[in-house]
Amino acid sequence: AQSVTQLDSQVPVFEEAPVELRCNYSSSVSVYLFWYVQYPNQGLQLLLKYLSGSTLVKGINGFEAEFNKSQTSFHLRKPSVHISDTAEYFCAVSVRGSQGNLIFGKGTKLSVKP
Amino acid sequence: GAVVSQHPSWVICKSGTSVKIECRSLDFQATTMFWYRQFPKQSLMLMATSNEGSKATYEQGVEKDKFLINHASLTLSTLTVTSAHPEDSSFYICSARSQGRGENTIYFGEGSWLTVV
Repeated sequence: AQSVTQLDSQVPVFEEAPVELRCNYSSSVSVYLFWYVQYPNQGLQLLLKYLSGSTLVKGINGFEAEFNKSQTSFHLRKPSVHISDTAEYFCAVSVRGSQGNLIFGKGTKLSVKP
Repeated sequence: GAVVSQHPSWVICKSGTSVKIECRSLDFQATTMFWYRQFPKQSLMLMATSNEGSKATYEQGVEKDKFLINHASLTLSTLTVTSAHPEDSSFYICSARSQGRGENTIYFGEGSWLTVV
């Protein structure tokens, strides 16, 4: 079975500061990795995904993430956050070759303060 | 880009009644659709996987007779919450897997808030 752990339930940060949201996963088989963002009362929007190739993945809104196989991590980073980045961020995995159902972490609430 | 539409976005129903939520892929054919449930301040939990033209596969602990899923066409899946109770109040989100666009091109709907009173 697969599991996803997001170590920080809440991350407060000041505007224009860098941020890292941590994600670790557990799986005995190969997986794909995803980060989604959820704004209040809305659905999910894909930020970025790692399928194969370069371990550094760039996504929308200036976010990037790095896949580290040895540490089974896929941390999300942004060098300078904006107020508008305030949202819930979910890390997820899906098993390679599966139908595509996602296993989500519990989410990290990013709060950007002026 | 691809769009998945859910309707209604918000619904309030009386306890004991049934409510249907639709999930449509607007510009692609979805061989597989997924239904998730999200409780307040919690993560998304997969309820079931539906494939067009076949019965849905439910996750352990999800009552298939209570949460009826129909995937009658390549662009529409419906979730019907039967005999709804207040504890069914939740945020329901569907996602659709795009046929022919790669194994892991999955798009999410905007979600549907269900409140049972």
